[in-house]
Amino acid sequence: AQTVTQSQPEMSVQEAETVTLSCTYDTSESDYYLFWYKQPPSRQMILVIRQEAYKQQNATENRFSVNFQKAAKSFSLKISDSQLGDAAMYFCASHHRDDKIIFGKGTRLHILP
Amino acid sequence: DTAVSQTPKYLVTQMGNDKSIKCEQNLGHDTMYWYKQDSKKFLKIMFSYNNKELIINETVPNRFSPKSPDKAHLNLHINSLELGDSAVYFCASSHTGAENYGYTFGSGTRLTVV
Repeated sequence: AQTVTQSQPEMSVQEAETVTLSCTYDTSESDYYLFWYKQPPSRQMILVIRQEAYKQQNATENRFSVNFQKAAKSFSLKISDSQLGDAAMYFCASHHRDDKIIFGKGTRLHILP
Repeated sequence: DTAVSQTPKYLVTQMGNDKSIKCEQNLGHDTMYWYKQDSKKFLKIMFSYNNKELIINETVPNRFSPKSPDKAHLNLHINSLELGDSAVYFCASSHTGAENYGYTFGSGTRLTVV
C-alpha cells in the first residue's frame, strides 16, 4: 500500500530563516509524482511545488525547493527566507497510476516574528 | 472565474437530515474527486470520477452518494447524517495522464452535524 509519512506534527522558524519539512513515502511504482500543498487558516489547499519521480533534478519555486532522494523515498521541502504568510499546514502527497493522491498527516508551520 | 467552486461553504444541520454539496470546475479537467478532512486535518479520498464514470470508491458508508451529471460537475449527497460526518469536504479536479500537475482544490465545505 502507498503511504506518506510526515514525522513532524509542528515546527517553528524565525522570520527570514530557513526551515526544512520532512516527508517519506512508500510505493512499489517507478513512475509517480510528489507534491507539497499548503493549507493556510483560510483552509484553501494551495499547490506549492511538484516533482516528477523520473526527474533527478530537484524542483524549485522561488523560495521553495525540494530535496528528492528517490532511493531513500524521501521528499523534503525547504523554505528559505521564511515569511509570516508561510504560516500554514503543509501536506506532502504522492500521486500514482490509479490517479489517487495520498496525503501525509501534515506539518503545522509557525513563523516567529 | 473561480476554477473549482463548491457550495455551500458552511453547512450546519441536524442528525438524520439529508444534504448535498455541489462542485463545479471550469478548468476542462476530466477527473474530479471528493476528499474528507477530519478534525485532525487528515485528508482522505472518498471518490473520484473520470468523465462521469466512478473510478475510485474508498470505504465510505453508502449513505454517501456522488453524482456526476457531466465532467465539469461532481456533487456529493449524504443521507441520514450522523455526528461523525462533521468534517471539511473538499472537491478537487485534475487532468489524468502522464503530465500530472496535481489537484486544484475547491475552498472546502465545513459540515457540522448537531
